Amino acid sequence: GQQVMQIPQYQHVQEGEDFTTYCNSSTTLSNIQWYKQRPGGHPVFLIQLVKSGEVKKQKRLTFQFGEAKKNSSLHITATQTTDVGTYFCAGSRNYGQNFVFGPGTRLSVLP
Amino acid sequence: NAGVTQTPKFRVLKTGQSMTLLCAQDMNHEYMYWYRQDPGMGLRLIHYSVGEGTTAKGEVPDGYNVSRLKKQNFLLGLESAAPSQTSVYFCASTAYQETQYFGPGTRLLVL
Repeated sequence: GQQVMQIPQYQHVQEGEDFTTYCNSSTTLSNIQWYKQRPGGHPVFLIQLVKSGEVKKQKRLTFQFGEAKKNSSLHITATQTTDVGTYFCAGSRNYGQNFVFGPGTRLSVLP
Repeated sequence: NAGVTQTPKFRVLKTGQSMTLLCAQDMNHEYMYWYRQDPGMGLRLIHYSVGEGTTAKGEVPDGYNVSRLKKQNFLLGLESAAPSQTSVYFCASTAYQETQYFGPGTRLLVL
């Protein structure tokens, strides 16, 4: 079956440093979503990528979908303590099918 | 709008007991999902529904049953709880392949 992997599992950064998490799928995806979950909270949608090579930005967050549509990345510039949480990617093989979530990357930001 | 609500928030069961988790959404979404979240494993899909009166199995359906008698409600039942079902359960709803809105979660402990 479809597998979605994320690296790293954990990342500790000093406030102001950059952070990147990578998402890799065992199969080609039709679309990919990113979610953020704060400690003790529930996943909150960040963005959806659909096109090969697509790049989207949200303030300090940059999301990229690979050319082969099998990988994606989330980059945070100049992290803040409010960025603390676990970031999940979720991929769908075909539009209309369910999403498979990666295991997440837990980000800690030291003030 | 309340979005997605889940009841109860926390429950302790003894092995062999049964219970029902309730998910309700007020966004008129067709799609609803039940996930379980375990440390280091992300979110795994248990069952889902693409509309009132329909249900389907996800990645980890064994030991669970679901019903979608009304469009706004999605029930998850545990017939005979086992310690392996100790987890955090999240319900989510979405319009077709769009943002998944998650509920606050139900923490279940099976002794």
